[in-house]
Amino acid sequence: NAGVIQTPRHKVTGKGQEATLWCEPISGHSAVFWYRQTIVQGLEFLTYFRNQAPIDDSGMPKERFSAQMPNQSHSTLKIQSTQPQDSAVYLCASSPGGGANTGQLYFGEGSKLTVL
Amino acid sequence: SQWGEENLQALSIQEGEDVTMNCSYKTYTTVVHWYRQDSGRGPALIILIRSNEREKRSGRLRATLDTSSQSSSLSITAAQCEDTAVYFCATDQGSALGRLHFGAGTQLIVIP
Repeated sequence: NAGVIQTPRHKVTGKGQEATLWCEPISGHSAVFWYRQTIVQGLEFLTYFRNQAPIDDSGMPKERFSAQMPNQSHSTLKIQSTQPQDSAVYLCASSPGGGANTGQLYFGEGSKLTVL
Repeated sequence: SQWGEENLQALSIQEGEDVTMNCSYKTYTTVVHWYRQDSGRGPALIILIRSNEREKRSGRLRATLDTSSQSSSLSITAAQCEDTAVYFCATDQGSALGRLHFGAGTQLIVIP
């Protein structure tokens, strides 16, 4: 089991450029979550999908951020017109669903985004 | 706000000492998760305790939960250098299959 795979591990963009982050969840997991981590704000929830359907995007900034899950094997987080305040580590996590699921999240190693 | 403690806490202890980290929350949860995060890695679950449990043990880890005071603790017995990490508690606000809400975390440094 390879775990949750996130690419790229590091991305540097200039202000105003677009950034796309990729996540491959653990095979068989039905839920995929995106979090953002900074020193100041800690771990902030962004959005999540269950069985590829968007369930809760209440943490997503309304402008410039979008997430998709086109198939069960990957999800993307896209940030348009990146700003320095978008600099953070973006963490993807997956979780098995149903049954005796505890809600445990399995995190990837994160994508560190730096906006210059 | 979900949490009683808003800022990342820091603890520094000597190897071999016991340590307890606390977490308080403001909204009902069905379970409290404790995660550790090593530098450059994603958080990883180390122990979880359900709302109908008062204590849970796993090796040198012990978690407690007091639902009346909405607080949980994580204790590590005889800390080792490899326990150095950031430790987070997380709650589900009553939705077992939904998102987790993470506290600010505790940076634990174990000095040899």
